Amino acid sequence: GIQVEQSPPDLILQEGANSTLRCNFSDSVNNLQWFHQNPWGQLINLFYIPSGTKQNGRLSATTVATERYSLLYISSSQTTDSGVYFCAVGLNTGGFKTIFGAGTRLFVKA
Amino acid sequence: DAGITQSPRHKVTETGTPVTLRCHQTENHRYMYWYRQDPGHGLRLIHYSYGVKDTDKGEVSDGYSVSRSKTEDFLLTLESATSSQTSVYFCAISDPGQGTYEQYFGPGTRLTVT
Repeated sequence: GIQVEQSPPDLILQEGANSTLRCNFSDSVNNLQWFHQNPWGQLINLFYIPSGTKQNGRLSATTVATERYSLLYISSSQTTDSGVYFCAVGLNTGGFKTIFGAGTRLFVKA
Repeated sequence: DAGITQSPRHKVTETGTPVTLRCHQTENHRYMYWYRQDPGHGLRLIHYSYGVKDTDKGEVSDGYSVSRSKTEDFLLTLESATSSQTSVYFCAISDPGQGTYEQYFGPGTRLTVT
C-alpha cells in the first residue's frame, strides 16, 4: 500500500524561528491535507492542497504531486504552534481512503 | 468549526464487553469516517461510510463494525472489546459533492479497555 513519510519526526525551535516540514508519499494521490493536532488533542485543518501553493498567515504549503511530496512552512514560530503536524493523503481509488503520516512533533520554546 | 460531536468523550470498559461509540454531524455531509490514533502510528482508518447504509472497511477494521441508518449518525461498535483496542477514536466527515475531499474531525473519544 501507499507509504506516507514525514520528516523530521521531532523538531524543537526557538520562538521566532522558521521551519519546513516535509511529507513524501509513494504513489499518486488525488488529495492531500495538513493538520495540526494541538496539545489538547484537537485536529485542526491547516490546508487542503492536492497541488500548488497556498498561504494562510504565517503558514504556507506547497504540493508537487508529480514528484510526490508536500512541504509545510512555518514562519516566525510561536509557542502556540507547538503540537503534532500530520500530512494525510487520499488515494486515487475513490479518494475517500485516507492514509496519515506518523507526524512531526514540534515544540516551540519561548 | 464543522458541527461534529462524539459521545462518549471518555470511556473505561472491561475486556469482553461490547462498546458503541457515536458520531453525530449537523453538516449533512455524505461521507463519514472512523479512525483510531495510537502512539507512533498517526491516525489509521477503521471504516468509512459513503451514504446511508453504505459502508466499507479501512486499513484496521478487524474487531470493529459500523452502522449508518441516518445521514447524521455513524456508529462504531466493538463487539467484544480487547486491550489492543485501547486508543483515541476520531470521527471525520467530508462531502466530495462540494468538489473537495477535505475532511473535518470531531473532538475524539478516549477509550480504555482494562
